[in-house]
Amino acid sequence: SQQGEEDPQALSIQEGENATMNCSYKTSINNLQWYRQNSGRGLVHLILIRSNEREKHSGRLRVTLDTSKKSSSLLITASRAADTASYFCATDEETSGSRLTFGEGTQLTVNP
Amino acid sequence: DGGITQSPKYLFRKEGQNVTLSCEQNLNHDAMYWYRQDPGQGLRLIYYSQIVNDFQKGDIAEGYSVSREKKESFPLTVTSAQKNPTAFYLCASNSLLEGVDYGYTFGSGTRLTVV
Repeated sequence: SQQGEEDPQALSIQEGENATMNCSYKTSINNLQWYRQNSGRGLVHLILIRSNEREKHSGRLRVTLDTSKKSSSLLITASRAADTASYFCATDEETSGSRLTFGEGTQLTVNP
Repeated sequence: DGGITQSPKYLFRKEGQNVTLSCEQNLNHDAMYWYRQDPGQGLRLIYYSQIVNDFQKGDIAEGYSVSREKKESFPLTVTSAQKNPTAFYLCASNSLLEGVDYGYTFGSGTRLTVV
């Protein structure tokens, strides 16, 4: 079953602009993770935020988590053409052990 | 270099044929996973294993089988019972240690096509 729902499904911006993607989920979680996938490739882990954290930064990435609203956002600042990819959120649910449930992703296109 | 290796990169299957996708990791990770990805969609869990000689069904296990005889290896067999096997298959692994924050490591995938 798909736990995460991502919004928007597709996003097109110019280089230098910020990109924001949102993820909503349904059940209680241990943590939420964001991954990136270039076309036809495997996924790459970007960042993990635990259920007791509200915000986390890694380079140009900023992730927020609101457990009361069961939602998260990923902000990519000063985007580059190389950021063009699909971005997925994944939840580690409290009842699921170590298995992750992935959303359907946001396709980000950064135009030079 | 540590990582996960999936092979082959492309695989063609005839109707009624079983095929096996390979997944090997040298990261000393305890857990391994198989996901299926259809075009423009997210990942759906097929099977996972947290320890050698043990594995659990995911959300879409019908028509698939796995084994975990070694910690490093988690092959997936797509059987003839899987009616729509054309998809991109991704293998992943992770450590089950507390406090680890680096998430899953994914292989580069196998694209399976029924001909």
